[in-house]
Amino acid sequence: ILNVEQSPQSLHVQEGDSTNFTCSFPSSNFYALHWYRWETAKSPEALFVMTLNGDEKKKGRISATLNTKEGYSYLYIKGSQPEDSATYLCASPFSGGYNKLIFGAGTRLAVHP
Amino acid sequence: DGGITQSPKYLFRKEGQNVTLSCEQNLNHDAMYWYRQDPGQGLRLIYYSQIVNDFQKGDIAEGYSVSREKKESFPLTVTSAQKNPTAFYLCASQIAGGPTSLPNEQFFGPGTRLTVL
Repeated sequence: ILNVEQSPQSLHVQEGDSTNFTCSFPSSNFYALHWYRWETAKSPEALFVMTLNGDEKKKGRISATLNTKEGYSYLYIKGSQPEDSATYLCASPFSGGYNKLIFGAGTRLAVHP
Repeated sequence: DGGITQSPKYLFRKEGQNVTLSCEQNLNHDAMYWYRQDPGQGLRLIYYSQIVNDFQKGDIAEGYSVSREKKESFPLTVTSAQKNPTAFYLCASQIAGGPTSLPNEQFFGPGTRLTVL
């Protein structure tokens, strides 16, 4: 099984800091890259589904970029707020099925007031 | 409200027992999934179903079974053959994609935490 890797594993920042983390995935037979936010005691929710090399998506203070040739995606949060505290998961379907996602272990973000 | 429900929220199982976790969705999605989460690991796929009366094994299917008799429902049975069933289980659904369509996000339920006593 090929892996999706995320770094760092965890991150602590102060309110107002900007931060970013990385998702690495196999670049061969690329179909899509998903980002999800998983807050404590809630269900994971989709942030972005990205398909095109060089694509950049934005939702409020959160944005993501995609490099399919080298197999990585960055997630950026500008001016972190305590409500951004969550685990951020990325996933890619490359193991033989367009809908069969392989998830990374996630980056746990804690934003301190 | 449209969404995915899972029950129960917490489940305790004795050694040797089979237990069934419920997953229901009213989003009219064709595809449904079961994932398992263990501490420090990503979500791992147990089983998935793209259409009623059909399902495929995921990466860690041993010791689990599923059925897909209705579009809305995808129950997961954790059998006594699963050697380490204590984990958090998530169900998800999705509009099924393919080689000529744009990929779609998955929608997740609230999860079931299973503990073996």
